[in-house]
Amino acid sequence: GENVEQHPSTLSVQEGDSAVIKCTYSDSASNYFPWYKQELGKRPQLIIDIRSNVGEKKDQRIAVTLNKTAKHFSLHITETQPEDSAVYFCAVNQAGTALIFGKGTTLSVSS
Amino acid sequence: DAEITQSPRHKITETGRQVTLACHQTWNHNNMFWYRQDLGHGLRLIHYSYGVQDTNKGEVSDGYSVSRSNTEDLPLTLESAASSQTSVYFCASSDGSLSGNTIYFGEGSWLTVV
Repeated sequence: GENVEQHPSTLSVQEGDSAVIKCTYSDSASNYFPWYKQELGKRPQLIIDIRSNVGEKKDQRIAVTLNKTAKHFSLHITETQPEDSAVYFCAVNQAGTALIFGKGTTLSVSS
Repeated sequence: DAEITQSPRHKITETGRQVTLACHQTWNHNNMFWYRQDLGHGLRLIHYSYGVQDTNKGEVSDGYSVSRSNTEDLPLTLESAASSQTSVYFCASSDGSLSGNTIYFGEGSWLTVV
């Protein structure tokens, strides 16, 4: 089955810095790559996603890049703010299967 | 507003007891999922369903069962609860094809097995 590796497991940055989280996956047939944000005690919520026919997607301060050849994709957050502090999960799936998640990255943004 | 709700939100049970966690969605979504979240393991897929009468095993299905008798509900049953099943359980749902659609999570059910 699909295997998703996410790094780093924890990330601490200063307010205003950029943060990058990377995920690798094993199945070349995977074609959908969302990112979820989970605040403490809350449910995970989708923040951005990308499909395999696109290399990059941006939404204000967040962006996701996909390298299908190398089987990895990354979340980029620019101009980080304290409210960006949360756990971030990448996920992967392909047609006919359910989302498989990475183990998560705890991002701490200090002011 | 349409929603996905889980109950109970918090439960403490004893080892060996049968426990059922309810999940109800009002979006009329075809696909429903159960995940468990544990520190250091992220979100792991337990079972999922494409539609009524359909169920499939996920990564960590041992000790759990689900049934899908209607579109709205996917209850998760722990046949004989074990301490290793202490976790936060999230139900989720999505529309359309199984791949490539946003999944929406419920608020979670905190289960403690003592």
